[in-house]
Amino acid sequence: DIQMTQSPSSLSASVGDRVTIACRASQNTNNYLNWYQQKSGKAPKLLIYGASTLQNGVPSRFSGSGSGTEFTLTISGLQPEDFATYYCQQTYSIPRTFGQGTQVDLK
Amino acid sequence: QVQLQESGPGLVKPSGTLSLTCAVSGGSISSTNWWSWVRQPPGKGLEWIGEMYHLGSTNYNPSLKSRVTISVDKSKNQFSLNLTSVTAADTAVYFCAKKSAGILSGYSPWGQGTLVTVSS
Repeated sequence: DIQMTQSPSSLSASVGDRVTIACRASQNTNNYLNWYQQKSGKAPKLLIYGASTLQNGVPSRFSGSGSGTEFTLTISGLQPEDFATYYCQQTYSIPRTFGQGTQVDLK
Repeated sequence: QVQLQESGPGLVKPSGTLSLTCAVSGGSISSTNWWSWVRQPPGKGLEWIGEMYHLGSTNYNPSLKSRVTISVDKSKNQFSLNLTSVTAADTAVYFCAKKSAGILSGYSPWGQGTLVTVSS
């Protein structure tokens, strides 16, 4: 299995801050890397696929970068509705594993 | 716009079988997609269970493979999850989701999720 490790596990930030979440894969994922946002009690929402492609309808303050085994999700100008938990996921191999999640809360 | 809705019993006895259905609306289950199940134990992260391609091939998480079956009912435009020999460790919110057959696609949309508790 490809292990996905996110860092940090949690962070506190203020509205307007630039937030960066890292995701490391134990093997090359060939950019088959997705990012999701999950709010409490809700289903995950796809933000980024293919490491850097913004899903339709997702605000442009979200961006993804990286390749191989190292990936980053950046939120440029955190908004009140962005406080949530974020997950990375690889879809390069079976099983399609998720990171453990990064909780973003209000400082 | 495709929408997904899970349904099934919210309580299953230990050693029993968990059976859930995901109804697909706004699109055909015969379209070129992977139809998938993901679960989330209370307060924990996401675990991928498995997926079925519209033509019938399946992929399962090896950790669950001996107990899982995903099937499609084209006449009802829905797909299902069966998980046998359940224990308390299978208590979770179960989500269904669609993954386009495109190489670099992600899972979207998702159903709202349904909580299944394994308890006697």
